[in-house]
Amino acid sequence: ETGVTQTPRHLVMGMTNKKSLKCEQHLGHNAMYWYKQSAKKPLELMFVYSLEERVENNSVPSRFSPECPNSSHLFLHLHTLQPEDSALYLCASSQTSGETYNEQFFGPGTRLTVL
Amino acid sequence: GQNIDQPTEMTATEGAIVQINCTYQTSGFNGLFWYQQHAGEAPTFLSYNVLDGLEEKGRFSSFLSRSKGYSYLLLKELQMKDSASYLCAAIDSNYQLIWGAGTKLIIKP
Repeated sequence: ETGVTQTPRHLVMGMTNKKSLKCEQHLGHNAMYWYKQSAKKPLELMFVYSLEERVENNSVPSRFSPECPNSSHLFLHLHTLQPEDSALYLCASSQTSGETYNEQFFGPGTRLTVL
Repeated sequence: GQNIDQPTEMTATEGAIVQINCTYQTSGFNGLFWYQQHAGEAPTFLSYNVLDGLEEKGRFSSFLSRSKGYSYLLLKELQMKDSASYLCAAIDSNYQLIWGAGTKLIIKP
């Protein structure tokens, strides 16, 4: 495996279900990100982990819960979602060092549909 | 507030040239990215500009004017595979990425 992988690629869930999205990066990066992408809207940054510590939580509802067990893996745990949470969820990674900002590498995303 | 503006959709002809514009208003500025995203796929990095001027990379070039808060992506010799969305993202003073909604480029034969 190379780059950034995400599973599952597609997920349909009911509002009472609990599911998890998984992301794995094989690039040796030290930062990982979760984004939400809705049609015709800018990418919304949800969570950032740098060196396995969460550094940002942009007022995301508590029904989304991230977990970063190590620098290569990132999870997004989902429970009691709403239909408006249906979107493409993208994971990304980058190498951060001081004030140098390097490009982010994205996974293919999980297309989530909440019924 | 912080904002990125880019056209929602553009259409161009195979073999032609197209310019996709992006204007940004951010609190501070530490550079600007362009990404390409094919339907159903991950965004992929195209270019990064932090200084004024034109950066050329094969058929793609990216331009930045910091004083005008403006950038463009220039695509030459368009190919059908260039049909995709093009995302502009600026880095603010806190090193946060501010994303535009993307420009969907449709290439016609």
